[in-house]
Amino acid sequence: SSELTQDPAVSVALGQTVRITCQGDSLRTHYASWYQQKPGQAPVLVNYGKNNRPSGIPDRFSGSISGNTASLTITGAQAEDEADYYCNSRDSSANRVVFGGGTKLTVL
Amino acid sequence: QVQLVQSGTEMKKPGASVKVSCKASGYRFSSNGISWVRQAPGQGLEWVGWISAYNGNTNYAQKLQGRVTMTRDTSTSTAYMELRSLRSDDTAIYYCARDLGLQYDYWGQGTLVTVSS
Repeated sequence: SSELTQDPAVSVALGQTVRITCQGDSLRTHYASWYQQKPGQAPVLVNYGKNNRPSGIPDRFSGSISGNTASLTITGAQAEDEADYYCNSRDSSANRVVFGGGTKLTVL
Repeated sequence: QVQLVQSGTEMKKPGASVKVSCKASGYRFSSNGISWVRQAPGQGLEWVGWISAYNGNTNYAQKLQGRVTMTRDTSTSTAYMELRSLRSDDTAIYYCARDLGLQYDYWGQGTLVTVSS
């Protein structure tokens, strides 16, 4: 079982805002990174640290953290945002890395 | 531009070993680590381990400790991941990724490793 917990599935209406969460004790002391994965493709980093976006990632993707919960918010979801989203961070020992179980985002 | 190019599909029998390569280009190889992540069919991402391209230090997932070895060759900017005593549940796509410290900003295309008798 993962030390980072994500909701298995979330849906959002086109153009609306959706928040994808990642819970874990290690998030109290370590930031999360967020990855988007579309079918048959390698993951893509979309947000990391204290709300940083790699070059080329739209600004509708934002990250935040509060207590033991990290969140990825998509403001004005687009059809092309339909994908699986994964968080990662340190494990509880801080020695290794762990991924959340992933959230399948459906854009209606 | 940064690229990570992995070796091709592998099919192995249970108990065998596999070695996957990841050739980096477009950046100074020794400046960053390389992490390996795997994804079983229809499943989520699983961290396999990390190697420092600078000094070769490694850190492996506890469940794979003793079966996995990561190495790198700085002369060819290539990282390697060897997994031994393969089992059917090692069947997965194995990805390498440039590691900036928890954030993996560039990924290889993935290598499918199938373990089957």
